[in-house]
Amino acid sequence: DQQVKQNSPSLSVQEGRISILNCDYTNSMFDYFLWYKKYPAEGPTFLISISSIKDKNEDGRFTVFLNKSAKHLSLHIVPSQPGDSAVYFCAASVSGNTGKLIFGQGTTLQVKP
Amino acid sequence: EAGVAQSPRYKIIEKRQSVAFWCNPISGHATLYWYQQILGQGPKLLIQFQNNGVVDDSQLPKDRFSAERLKGVDSTLKIQPAKLEDSAVYLCASSLTSGGYTDTQYFGPGTRLTVL
Repeated sequence: DQQVKQNSPSLSVQEGRISILNCDYTNSMFDYFLWYKKYPAEGPTFLISISSIKDKNEDGRFTVFLNKSAKHLSLHIVPSQPGDSAVYFCAASVSGNTGKLIFGQGTTLQVKP
Repeated sequence: EAGVAQSPRYKIIEKRQSVAFWCNPISGHATLYWYQQILGQGPKLLIQFQNNGVVDDSQLPKDRFSAERLKGVDSTLKIQPAKLEDSAVYLCASSLTSGGYTDTQYFGPGTRLTVL
């Protein structure tokens, strides 16, 4: 039962262009969403989050969009840089819960110089 | 500020053997999590501690996995006996407060376990 899905295992973009990573979820109880970034041999690091009361959250080059009716969120990176090459995980949780995160499978982003 | 520390970083064992992983969370963090990440999948929560009490262990295979958090600080995760399907990266994370849903989780580098 995969409640959070990242259907694209990999994505390759040119430096300076936009990277768009997608994530779908099935549980309508989820109301808080996060993106984590993971480099090889390191643990995931928190990138950006969004509450279900919003449809957009920006932090520098990173923007997360949430479409609740479609149960879909996306992460936009503009402009993409080679240092952004990593695995990106989306995760979801339920307010009032213990903080348990449900992760997607991850998307490997490669940004080519 | 020191991050979450885990050891060992790599472990190779034969099936049916036992193995233990250690985690030292960020100082002052009340909540500690153990996740299992199988290759090609996202991390899956095994157990969550708040201080030294268990908050959620619903996905911990209790017939072979056990975990404890000593004095609300360090934690160990044990597998006994190991199976081939336990091959994964075991990630430890910690968060500052009571593990509320907006509380940022900070991850350690993980322990890569290979069961032969």
